Amino acid sequence: NAGVTQTPKFQVLKTGQSMTLQCAQDMNHNSMYWYRQDPGMGLRLIYYSASEGTTDKGEVPNGYNVSRLNKREFSLRLESAAPSQTSVYFCASSALGRTNTGELFFGEGSRLTVL
Amino acid sequence: AQSVTQLGSHVSVSEGALVLLRCNYSSSVPPYLFWYVQYPNQGLQLLLKYTTGATLVKGINGFEAEFKKSETSFHLTKPSAHMSDAAEYFCAVRKSGGSYIPTFGRGTSLIVHP
Repeated sequence: NAGVTQTPKFQVLKTGQSMTLQCAQDMNHNSMYWYRQDPGMGLRLIYYSASEGTTDKGEVPNGYNVSRLNKREFSLRLESAAPSQTSVYFCASSALGRTNTGELFFGEGSRLTVL
Repeated sequence: AQSVTQLGSHVSVSEGALVLLRCNYSSSVPPYLFWYVQYPNQGLQLLLKYTTGATLVKGINGFEAEFKKSETSFHLTKPSAHMSDAAEYFCAVRKSGGSYIPTFGRGTSLIVHP
């Protein structure tokens, strides 16, 4: 059972470089999310996608873009990385609907360092 | 708007002692409540959840939580801590029938001493 798979697990970038974090889920979930986790800040929502074809900003969207490529995949792009984007990034998915409670299933995280 | 407050960013207990991690929430409608656990260098995984019905909810690894509407609380407990319980714990709330975006607390790091 793969669940939610994120790649890469580790990445070091120089300021100004771009990169894309990939996320895929095999649970046929409608909704997908990108969070960042920083010490003392908990989890902060960057972007989410309620369903295929839709994306919306979360709490901290500046400096990021997302693409919901299909129902399975939801990517996060940093166009011009900054040191403030050094963080651990988590992708999550959930099944939503009137009969679902919407708990999230998380990937193992992608650790990004921007020098 | 909904919010979650976890009292104490760090909680330290001895092995075998009671674990109590506190979570208070605010929500304008009946909530769905969750506890997630994050072991070092891993993603979060669901520990337990409250939706409707019985207010005492049992989860994995001997943890349980009680939904107290009058206190707007959902505290997590375990009678006897084990070294393997050392982890980060997150409380989360989502409005039932409403927004699909859960709100997370800032997390509590549980430290277990031998």
